[in-house]
Order: sequence, then C-alpha cells, then structure tokens
Amino acid sequence: YELTQPPSVSVSPGQTATITCSADALAKQYVFWYQQKPGQAPVSVIYKDTERPSGIPERFSGSSSGTTLTLTISGVQPEDEAEYHCQSGDLSGTYPVFGGGTKLTVL
Amino acid sequence: QVKLQESGPGLVKPSETLFLNCAVSGYAISGGYYWGWIRRPPGKGLEWIGGLSHSGTTNYNESLKSRVTIWEESSKRQFSLRLNSVTAADTGVYFCVTYGGPWMAVNHWGQGTLVTVSS
Repeated sequence: YELTQPPSVSVSPGQTATITCSADALAKQYVFWYQQKPGQAPVSVIYKDTERPSGIPERFSGSSSGTTLTLTISGVQPEDEAEYHCQSGDLSGTYPVFGGGTKLTVL
Repeated sequence: QVKLQESGPGLVKPSETLFLNCAVSGYAISGGYYWGWIRRPPGKGLEWIGGLSHSGTTNYNESLKSRVTIWEESSKRQFSLRLNSVTAADTGVYFCVTYGGPWMAVNHWGQGTLVTVSS
C-alpha cells in the first residue's frame, strides 16, 4: 500500500497551497496529515481526511476525492513553510504507511 | 499526557549495532496503543521501523525485519530498539511514537534523535 506526494510545492504568502496524496488502493482508508518543521517532531494538522485538531488554524483543511486526498492551506503564512506528510494504515491495519513528504516553500 | 523521550548514541560505526531507548511517562505501556519507532533519513520521507503492542506482540517493517528488535523494559518504563549491522543508509532522525486505531494514526511523538552511521 503506497501513498504518493509531490516532492515540493511553492506559493507566495497569502496564496493557497494544495498538497495531494494519492493512494494506490481502492479500499477506503482515512488519511492523516502531519506538519514537520526542521529539527522538530511532526504535528498533526488534519485527521481522518477532513478533521482539524484543536489548536490548528482554520486555514488548514483536508478533502477527499476517490483515492486522492488533498491538504489545502488558505492564505499561506511564512510560518507554514515545512514538510507535510500524509499517512494511513496498511490494508491489514497493522502499521502506519507514509507518503514521501512534500516540502512547502513560502516564497 | 503521554511523553516520550529518546536516548542513545549519536554516532555508530558501520556494521555495528544501534541501540535506542524511549522513556515513557504519563501512561503505562500495557494500557493501550502500539509503541514503536519511525525514522526519517536525510532527504527522504518518514519510515515505520516496527512496533510493540500493549499486549507484547511485535511487528516489523519487512525491509528491516532481519535486523530489528523492539522490546519493553517495564521496570524502567521504557521500550527499546536494536538495529544490527548498520550502514550509512540507516542514518537519520529516529522518533519513538505511539500509534493505533483502525488507520494506525500516530498519536504521540518523541522529539527525535539524530543517528549518524559513519566510521
């Protein structure tokens, strides 16, 4: 079971960033998104495709269409520059599977 | 509140064995979750290494299975990782984590520890 992300996305401050995560299986699996800044542990920004944890700004949102999951950051701020990882479970539900990560650069 | 803290050597020589420990506070390992290790090699994405269930069952990434062992040291309130015969490809930041639920979401992360394999 694989999750595929683009290696990099670049946007200017105030614009909208979209980061995709494509799953290679038709079995519906919820996806989780983590933000990781240099030297820090990842932090959850979206869970179960579309839910936002408390404390995460409203500009972060998630959506799902078929086997493509999307993380959208509306009105990108300079502090949003980070690596973003999508994650789900393997099809047997025994371990986490990650996408390759997407580096978001705020120009 | 679960807190995890990794410890171990920052530098390991090729062909030697890497040992890492994860100190757990705020929750009992037997209380639930999977307790495991995830690493991030430089320039690459996150990679699950393996984990230990709260009941003691282990499972490992197939690509590392022959070299990895994870176990609990309950008296010390920690769990540990052993990775044999390391190479430069094992260089990266290692995180101890908890995960679980139907989709194996990662619930808690340690701060991470950098391991470099070099002579």
